[in-house]
Amino acid sequence: AQSVTQPDIHITVSEGASLELRCNYSYGATPYLFWYVQSPGQGLQLLLKYFSGDTLVQGIKGFEAEFKRSQSSFNLRKPSVHWSDAAEYFCAVGLQEYGNKLVFGAGTILRVKS
Amino acid sequence: DVKVTQSSRYLVKRTGEKVFLECVQDMDHENMFWYRQDPGLGLRLIYFSYDVKMKEKGDIPEGYSVSREKKERFSLILESASTNQTSMYLCASREQGPLYNEQFFGPGTRLTVL
Repeated sequence: AQSVTQPDIHITVSEGASLELRCNYSYGATPYLFWYVQSPGQGLQLLLKYFSGDTLVQGIKGFEAEFKRSQSSFNLRKPSVHWSDAAEYFCAVGLQEYGNKLVFGAGTILRVKS
Repeated sequence: DVKVTQSSRYLVKRTGEKVFLECVQDMDHENMFWYRQDPGLGLRLIYFSYDVKMKEKGDIPEGYSVSREKKERFSLILESASTNQTSMYLCASREQGPLYNEQFFGPGTRLTVL
């Protein structure tokens, strides 16, 4: 079955440190790939997406993600984390063949310590 | 500024009650979605609608129904609420077209069924 895996439920990093959040998917074809962020008490906001072209994608708030076909991964990175980045992050995957919908990972909660 | 609004941020209902969750978008989007969000499970699609009066089941439709009489409004109905439907409910909308079109989310309704 198709699935999206975010292996880390919680991650804690120090303010100013670099960040990498992992996302793996199990689909036969290359899907559309998304990262969303949910701040406390808020809905989800799109950080970035990949659908073709350059495998390194730039997003909002200084985030980037790299699509690696050989590893079926789409990891999210930020070189220097700010306290305001504390939130829950969701990876999502879509395949046109499976209909007009996305499949979301379980989420990774990021804590930032000062 | 694009906007998806949900009728309530918090809702408390009793087992067996009929519950209506309302979602309104002001972007003239054709597609609308209802998800439930539970810790450790991420977002799971309940139902979606690709046009007025059109609906399609998502991954967990049991115990839910939906209504879309107008393009801007998508309602989720719990015919007879049960305690296992206690959850956060998120509505989203997106423009018809490629799957990589962004989904815009509402702030969510936290439903507690006693």
